[in-house]
Amino acid sequence: EIVLTQFPATLSLSPGERASLSCRASQSVSNYLNWYQHKPGQAPRLLIYDASIRATGIPARFSGSGSGTDFTLTISSLEPEDFAVYYCQQRAKWPPGALTFGGGTKVEIK
Amino acid sequence: QVTLRESGPALVKPTQTLTLTCTFSGFSLTTSGMCVTWIRQPPGKALEWLARIDSNDDKYYITSLKTRLTISKDTSKNQVVLTLTNVDPVDSATYYCARFYTYGPGGFDYWGQGTLVTVSS
Repeated sequence: EIVLTQFPATLSLSPGERASLSCRASQSVSNYLNWYQHKPGQAPRLLIYDASIRATGIPARFSGSGSGTDFTLTISSLEPEDFAVYYCQQRAKWPPGALTFGGGTKVEIK
Repeated sequence: QVTLRESGPALVKPTQTLTLTCTFSGFSLTTSGMCVTWIRQPPGKALEWLARIDSNDDKYYITSLKTRLTISKDTSKNQVVLTLTNVDPVDSATYYCARFYTYGPGGFDYWGQGTLVTVSS
């Protein structure tokens, strides 16, 4: 079973700073890696799918990169509304149908 | 407009069976490649994918809960039902349903607001 490890667990930054979040897969997931933003009391929101494609309505300050086992979500300049928990999620071929999440990275205000 | 809404009991006793319903609109589970999934988040913990049902009725489960989970669909009612047997306090969580379209964005593009379930005697 593919395990996704996210690091760091917590990122303390100020508005306007650049955030880089990492997600590592225990085996290759090709480019089948998605990123979500989750705020308390709200449903998670799809930000990036297939490693680098922004979902509909997602601002250009969010970008994704990587393939295989190593992936990065970058927020170029943090806005106040960006402080949240971010999850990566894979939809690779094995085990069939599994759509597992990483453990999350919390981006908090410094 | 795509919407999903979870419903079910807020409180369940240990060893009982939890039944949750996802009622959706704006898409059909008869469309090839369409899927509905269930995801949960225990308080203070990460999201955990639980199960998925596809338009062709293929079903997939998280390995660790496979013996306790059942997912089914009623396309005439636009509903997906998840049952979890023999619940324990560790099953207390917010349960979400979400749409996944294999021919669209490769992620869960629409979510319900979630329903909080507490397992306690």
